[in-house]
Amino acid sequence: AQKVTQAQTEISVVEKEDVTLDCVYETRDTTYYLFWYKQPPSGELVFLIRRNSFDEQNEISGRYSWNFQKSTSSFNFTITASQVVDSAVYFCALSEFSTGNQFYFGTGTSLTVIP
Amino acid sequence: DAGVIQSPRHEVTEMGQEVTLRCKPISGHNSLFWYRQTMMRGLELLIYFNNNVPIDDSGMPEDRFSAKMPNASFSTLKIQPSEPRDSAVYFCASSFLGGGTNEKLFFGSGTQLSVL
Repeated sequence: AQKVTQAQTEISVVEKEDVTLDCVYETRDTTYYLFWYKQPPSGELVFLIRRNSFDEQNEISGRYSWNFQKSTSSFNFTITASQVVDSAVYFCALSEFSTGNQFYFGTGTSLTVIP
Repeated sequence: DAGVIQSPRHEVTEMGQEVTLRCKPISGHNSLFWYRQTMMRGLELLIYFNNNVPIDDSGMPEDRFSAKMPNASFSTLKIQPSEPRDSAVYFCASSFLGGGTNEKLFFGSGTQLSVL
């Protein structure tokens, strides 16, 4: 079974629109970590955020914000006022304390921002 | 700080040849991961090491694939013999596991492998 589900395969938005990327995870652990990575067209994987299971505070970093809700096992990512440079594939990932350092990645959401 | 270093960046080889991919993790990290990325399957974990010991190699596709980590600063992923379906981008990543916390993965730039 998929531990991390990113149901949106591809999303297209027009520049300056807001967009939310969904991530749903599955775990029985009480201690776990959630991540978002960005993969631009150049191919490298860029770390965006790490969140532990005990910290449900939402986080904002510039135009990026993350909404962590344990009740729905979701860790959604919102880009406000999207820009062309935001075009990339975004991956959500889960790391469970009980499985050591295993990282489980979702299948990614490809975001295209149209100028 | 130097990040995770992978070599080569690109590799083109013919079916049946041996391919060796190399990775130097970030100094001080104690966990190393090999991932494969394809359009069809996304990011797949092949194997990961903790303190140079392979912990989980269940993602290694078949016996043609092998990985070693002879010391804390070097790892190899070998494919012998290579096949066209092995064509993919192979990423190496490292992190630090300790103190009851799972740190983030730092990824290398990847090796683009094409097997003709």
